[in-house]
Amino acid sequence: AQSVTQPDIHITVSEGASLELRCNYSYGATPYLFWYVQSPGQGLQLLLKYFSGDTLVQGIKGFEAEFKRSQSSFNLRKPSVHWSDAAEYFCAVVLGGYSSASKIIFGSGTRLSIRP
Amino acid sequence: EPEVTQTPSHQVTQMGQEVILRCVPISNHLYFYWYRQILGQKVEFLVSFYNNEISEKSEIFDDQFSVERPDGSNFTLKIRSTKLEDSAMYFCASYPEEVRGTQYFGPGTRLLVL
Repeated sequence: AQSVTQPDIHITVSEGASLELRCNYSYGATPYLFWYVQSPGQGLQLLLKYFSGDTLVQGIKGFEAEFKRSQSSFNLRKPSVHWSDAAEYFCAVVLGGYSSASKIIFGSGTRLSIRP
Repeated sequence: EPEVTQTPSHQVTQMGQEVILRCVPISNHLYFYWYRQILGQKVEFLVSFYNNEISEKSEIFDDQFSVERPDGSNFTLKIRSTKLEDSAMYFCASYPEEVRGTQYFGPGTRLLVL
């Protein structure tokens, strides 16, 4: 079955340090890949997305992610985190082919805490 | 920038009561969705809706649930007889059917069933 795995439930990094959040997917073809961020009690904000082409995608708030087909991964990175980055991060896939109208499958999330 | 809106933001109800959660998708969008997130868990797909009918539903979306687009602008999720386990954040989303488009999420309705 198609799935998205985020192996890290909770990560704590120091402010100013670099960040990498891991995401692996299980699917026969290349899915559409997304990262969303959710601040406490808030909705879901799209950070970035990958459909095809350049495997390194840039998003909002200084985030980037790299698609690695050989590893079925789509890890999220940021060179220097800010206290405001503390939130829950969800990796997600859409399996609907050319159109991304199909349902989104979310990973279980990684909670990011920032150490002052 | 256009947004998906949801009302109410919070709802508290008694077990067994009916609730209707409302969403106003972005006006030129064609696909509509409901997702839910039980506290501390991941976001789960409930149902998608296109051309005035359900296009896909998950196993969570049983006979207790129904969706409707009553007037061309609102999109509602009805839970007929709420259970304690229906307590969750419910997100509405809409999608414009464009190349490399994405689903736009509303802010959510937090439902608490007592």
